[in-house]
Amino acid sequence: EAGVTQFPSHSVIEKGQTVTLRCDPISGHDNLYWYRRVMGKEIKFLLHFVKESKQDESGMPNNRFLAERTGGTYSTLKVQPAELEDSGVYFCASSQGPSGGNTDTQYFGPGTRLTVL
Amino acid sequence: QKEVEQDPGPLSVPEGAIVSLNCTYSNSAFQYFMWYRQYSRKGPELLMYTYSSGNKEDGRFTAQVDKSSKYISLFIRDSQPSDSATYLCAFSYTGGFKTIFGAGTRLFVKA
Repeated sequence: EAGVTQFPSHSVIEKGQTVTLRCDPISGHDNLYWYRRVMGKEIKFLLHFVKESKQDESGMPNNRFLAERTGGTYSTLKVQPAELEDSGVYFCASSQGPSGGNTDTQYFGPGTRLTVL
Repeated sequence: QKEVEQDPGPLSVPEGAIVSLNCTYSNSAFQYFMWYRQYSRKGPELLMYTYSSGNKEDGRFTAQVDKSSKYISLFIRDSQPSDSATYLCAFSYTGGFKTIFGAGTRLFVKA
């Protein structure tokens, strides 16, 4: 069974540009999460989808970040316009559901390393 | 005060040693306690998960939770070079979905 995949693995962009990260969860997983780790800091939660609905977006840093999950399958995270402090590793995770929860193992992808110059 | 404190290391031990990794936390609402392992250029992988105070064993790994002291530990027995990775403690709330991570401790096991 394929794991969580993320694309691209690396992205280098200029400040002010737009970047879109993609996450393909494990097939059949209703829950999809985005996290990020900025340099020297902990991995931080960004948001949680149940199917195509945003369940919790309390960790989104500001309105330059937009996450979507059309049709409840793959998800995209767009940063527009990118700022220097957005540099870091963006992880996606998925879990089976039906509604996530503490006993629902989250499987992480390898991450997208974003560098904003 | 940070919600989770974890010594980033690095921690270097010889093969076969017993490794002790620890985290302290301040949020008494945390009810679920986890340890993740992360290899270089990979995503975190869930190792152990516990709900209550006490010990939980899985092979060479033992997770220990002391809610009264807000302290959790992971012990690795007979450590192997393949155990070299970053170990992250993690927490969540009852009914919650998001996971709160520690900074991670880098472990090196020398052959």
